[in-house]
Amino acid sequence: NAGVTQTPKFQVLKTGQSMTLQCAQDMNHNSMYWYRQDPGMGLRLIYYSASEGTTDKGEVPNGYNVSRLNKREFSLRLESAAPSQTSVYFCASSEDGSYGYTFGSGTRLTVV
Amino acid sequence: KQEVTQIPAALSVPEGENLVLNCSFTDSAIYNLQWFRQDPGKGLTSLLLIQSSQREQTSGRLNASLDKSSGRSTLYIAASQPGDSATYLCAVAGGSYIPTFGRGTSLIVHP
Repeated sequence: NAGVTQTPKFQVLKTGQSMTLQCAQDMNHNSMYWYRQDPGMGLRLIYYSASEGTTDKGEVPNGYNVSRLNKREFSLRLESAAPSQTSVYFCASSEDGSYGYTFGSGTRLTVV
Repeated sequence: KQEVTQIPAALSVPEGENLVLNCSFTDSAIYNLQWFRQDPGKGLTSLLLIQSSQREQTSGRLNASLDKSSGRSTLYIAASQPGDSATYLCAVAGGSYIPTFGRGTSLIVHP
């Protein structure tokens, strides 16, 4: 049982480049989330998707876009990367919170 | 807006001590509260989930309690071991089922 799978695990980008972080879950969960984790800041919500076909902004959405491709997959796109987007990105999923939240292992992104 | 605070921010103790980690939240209208463990450079591992109707949950040496009226949860770790060294995160979810995280307590248990 893979749970939540994130790719890639590590990435280095130059300022202005674009990339998409991939997230897939195999638990048939309705809700999916993207967080970023920065030292001293905890985890902050970027975007979430309460169900297939819906997405909503979280606390720090600027500079990001998301796509809920289907029930399994929720991708995060950086259109023009900035050094301020250097962070660790976590994807999570839940069945409406009833059984808690399952997290992926994260993507470490460095923008130079 | 829900705000979650974890105290202390860091803790260093000798092996064998019983520990209490604290989590407080500002909005008591919560759906659930979940404690996670995070090892350096790793993802989040779920430890305990407490639904809003519950008062506590236990797993092995871990016990988490929830007092919604006072906006507090505590994670009790009995007989701490060096392998317990990690950052412990508290996440509170409201009616929208979206977790809000505290900044964590960094725990070091030395032999």
